Amino acid sequence: GAVVSQHPSWVICKSGTSVKIECRSLDFQATTMFWYRQFPKQSLMLMATSNEGSKATYEQGVEKDKFLINHASLTLSTLTVTSAHPEDSSFYICSARDPGFTDTQYFGPGTRLTVL
Amino acid sequence: KNQVEQSPQSLIILEGKNCTLQCNYTVSPFSNLRWYKQDTGRGPVSLTIMTFSENTKSNGRYTATLDADTKQSSLHITASQLSDSASYICVVTPNRGRANNLFFGTGTRLTVIP
Repeated sequence: GAVVSQHPSWVICKSGTSVKIECRSLDFQATTMFWYRQFPKQSLMLMATSNEGSKATYEQGVEKDKFLINHASLTLSTLTVTSAHPEDSSFYICSARDPGFTDTQYFGPGTRLTVL
Repeated sequence: KNQVEQSPQSLIILEGKNCTLQCNYTVSPFSNLRWYKQDTGRGPVSLTIMTFSENTKSNGRYTATLDADTKQSSLHITASQLSDSASYICVVTPNRGRANNLFFGTGTRLTVIP
């Protein structure tokens, strides 16, 4: 199957700092990527839909100024957690939609964020 | 109410044994139903995908079934291995022509013990 990578795989930062997470689709050009957050023993929760060349669409309750999304190219989307706080500690997973198969999303390996 | 319910929440089985995980959904109409395996600290990996017209799909030791009339799906794992220990997530894609409205089940945590 298609490969989606994330970097970094884990990050520890101090409260108040900003952290950038990259998501890359390696096998195809993804006009649409998605960012999810997953808390322990819970399912994935969609945070936002990242559209190449346009603004991201955020789910209800997700602060767009807190979680900045940039989808500058067809293979890269970034999520920046600004002024991170301990409650932002979570597992962040991205996925990319293969334009050849509109109902198929490929997930990245995830990024573990720990805010001290 | 979650539109995709999975049972059991957790399951412990002996290595070599078979097990069946259940998924009930209310999403309708739907485009496809997938089963994913998610290892701890990793992203989900697709095991099977079935459209509404398919009844069964196999991938090695994993066999998924789908009953669109009762809106139920199951994932059967045969001859379990220690590496099967993971969370298994049922995901339904609604038939709206977009993939971003995925409905996730809460998952079943499977532990295979020697």
